[in-house]
Amino acid sequence: GDSVTQMEGPVTLSEEAFLTINCTYTATGYPSLFWYVQYPGEGLQLLLKATKADDKGSNKGFEATYRKETTSFHLEKGSVQVSDSAVYFCALSDYGGSQGNLIFGKGTKLSVKP
Amino acid sequence: DVKVTQSSRYLVKRTGEKVFLECVQDMDHENMFWYRQDPGLGLRLIYFSYDVKMKEKGDIPEGYSVSREKKERFSLILESASTNQTSMYLCASSFYRTGEDTQYFGPGTRLTVL
Repeated sequence: GDSVTQMEGPVTLSEEAFLTINCTYTATGYPSLFWYVQYPGEGLQLLLKATKADDKGSNKGFEATYRKETTSFHLEKGSVQVSDSAVYFCALSDYGGSQGNLIFGKGTKLSVKP
Repeated sequence: DVKVTQSSRYLVKRTGEKVFLECVQDMDHENMFWYRQDPGLGLRLIYFSYDVKMKEKGDIPEGYSVSREKKERFSLILESASTNQTSMYLCASSFYRTGEDTQYFGPGTRLTVL
């Protein structure tokens, strides 16, 4: 079945460092891909999404490009801030299953030190 | 903005109690979801519903039931709470429409079963 694999954390960076969180997927068909972020004590918020190959999603300085050839959707940010400390989840839409379901990776915890 | 609310942020119950977790969304979404989130396991889908009075089992439905009597409200029921149901519970909603599969999450309920 469809699945998402993302790099395990925790990831600890200094402020202004470059961030990459790897995400690869296995899917039948052409899923949409998502990154969600969960700040401490909160629910998940959509960070960005891409709906087809070569699309780039971007928001708040974060970017991810839908790479069909490598089945990847890596999250990047050029200069992280302390306020970016959170757990990041990669997800795909499960068109092989029921309409509207998302399949999530296990999450990567990011800590940014001042 | 989409608003998904959950009835409690923190809940403490005793083993064997019947527990109700309520979720309400204000965007007229057809789909609603219940997940539980545990460290190292990510998000796991318990149940979902794509219409009033409709429900589908997710990956881990055992020990849970759901109710959807109105479109905006989706309840998760623990018939007889057990300690292994101590977890963070997240509700989400989305449109039932191809290409509109973004899920919007509530803030979560952290349930402790003693």
